Amino acid sequence: GDKVKQSPSALSLQEGTNSALRCNFSIAATTVQWFLQNPRGSLINLFYLVPGTKENGRLKSAFDSKESYSTLHIRDAQLEDSGTYFCAAEARNYNQGKLIFGQGTKLSIKP
Amino acid sequence: GPKVLQIPSHQIIDMGQMVTLNCDPVSNHLYFYWYKQILGQQMEFLVNFYNGKVMEKSKLFKDQFSVERPDGSYFTLKIQPTALEDSAVYFCASSLRQGTGQLYFGEGSKLTVL
Repeated sequence: GDKVKQSPSALSLQEGTNSALRCNFSIAATTVQWFLQNPRGSLINLFYLVPGTKENGRLKSAFDSKESYSTLHIRDAQLEDSGTYFCAAEARNYNQGKLIFGQGTKLSIKP
Repeated sequence: GPKVLQIPSHQIIDMGQMVTLNCDPVSNHLYFYWYKQILGQQMEFLVNFYNGKVMEKSKLFKDQFSVERPDGSYFTLKIQPTALEDSAVYFCASSLRQGTGQLYFGEGSKLTVL
């Protein structure tokens, strides 16, 4: 089954609105990374999290290891935020450094 | 931020040929990884490498695959011979440490096997 489950699988938003993406873990996640894969295919690092919260501009992410989930909030969405967002976790009982990816959330921002 | 470079960005080869994908990791990083992404799907771990040795490989890392980093040069993924199902984008990543180390990914090498 899916060890890292992302929701929603796809999302379409108007420019200027807010959104929340979520990852649920069925493994004992110890760290989480969020990436944006842009239309060219490049993976852009957004956040690296141990349990807690981080904020960077219009993006904010949280990781709760006890409740086994992580969220990514996008405020005031812009056209350049379009792409596929992946979360990935390291987990206890897995070789450290091995990231387990979710299936991605495809985000489309419309003018 | 730190950059991982991959060469080539795209390669087309005939089934059965050999291919080598090259990765220039972040300069002070010690741990290296290859991931595979079939078009539109999630990223799958292939292998991680430290101190000249494979630490762990997944079921996707077939016998035809090998990795090395001779004398601190490129970290390479070699596939010999290639098969049709090897068509994918291969991403290299590196990290300074494991467990508390953020992975940085290259831009991917798209491999098309005909």
